[in-house]
Amino acid sequence: DVKVTQSSRYLVKRTGEKVFLECVQDMDHENMFWYRQDPGLGLRLIYFSYDVKMKEKGDIPEGYSVSREKKERFSLILESASTNQTSMYLCASSSAKVQGRALRETQYFGPGTRLLVL
Amino acid sequence: DAKTTQPNSMESNEEEPVHLPCNHSTISGTDYIHWYRQLPSQGPEYVIHGLTSNVNNRMASLAIAEDRKSSTLILHRATLRDAAVYYCIRSWGKLQFGAGTQVVVTP
Repeated sequence: DVKVTQSSRYLVKRTGEKVFLECVQDMDHENMFWYRQDPGLGLRLIYFSYDVKMKEKGDIPEGYSVSREKKERFSLILESASTNQTSMYLCASSSAKVQGRALRETQYFGPGTRLLVL
Repeated sequence: DAKTTQPNSMESNEEEPVHLPCNHSTISGTDYIHWYRQLPSQGPEYVIHGLTSNVNNRMASLAIAEDRKSSTLILHRATLRDAAVYYCIRSWGKLQFGAGTQVVVTP
């Protein structure tokens, strides 16, 4: 079974802090994704990566950056946390080998990190 | 438009089948239909996907209309653990999660 783990289930940070959310997958998947989920807005794609050191912006990249130094690990960074970044953050991975299909193929999600920014 | 249309909620008794409808009238020929579900306080979980033919796996069955403008996810015998939000997604460009259908299972 595919396993996607996220470093924390719950996180409380203060406005202006730098926040790191870590995601690790154990299935040698090429592609990894970061989403945020908010009531009434569904899941929104922040960034994704189809290879090590490669990244692509999703729908809402502002205020976020990402890092993928190793294939199994994808980090989401909030450079200066703000209260409107309070949300559930979900990491996912997929095995699509063709770059153009990365976003269309089955994705496997982690349990999520619920971030509260005070 | 990559959106799909699902009922907001459905209720079922335990041990009974659940049929979850989804409309995707603007689907193109290369789009897959994916279903995910999300249990409370969990990330979404892949359920099943298909293109044209009906599909079965250990979790559910997917029945796709001949014109592909609609599909139905079938949970054959609902259990309390099947209570979740079920998302029908058309893979147009990317997976877009809408509001989904909240499934309530009553003992």
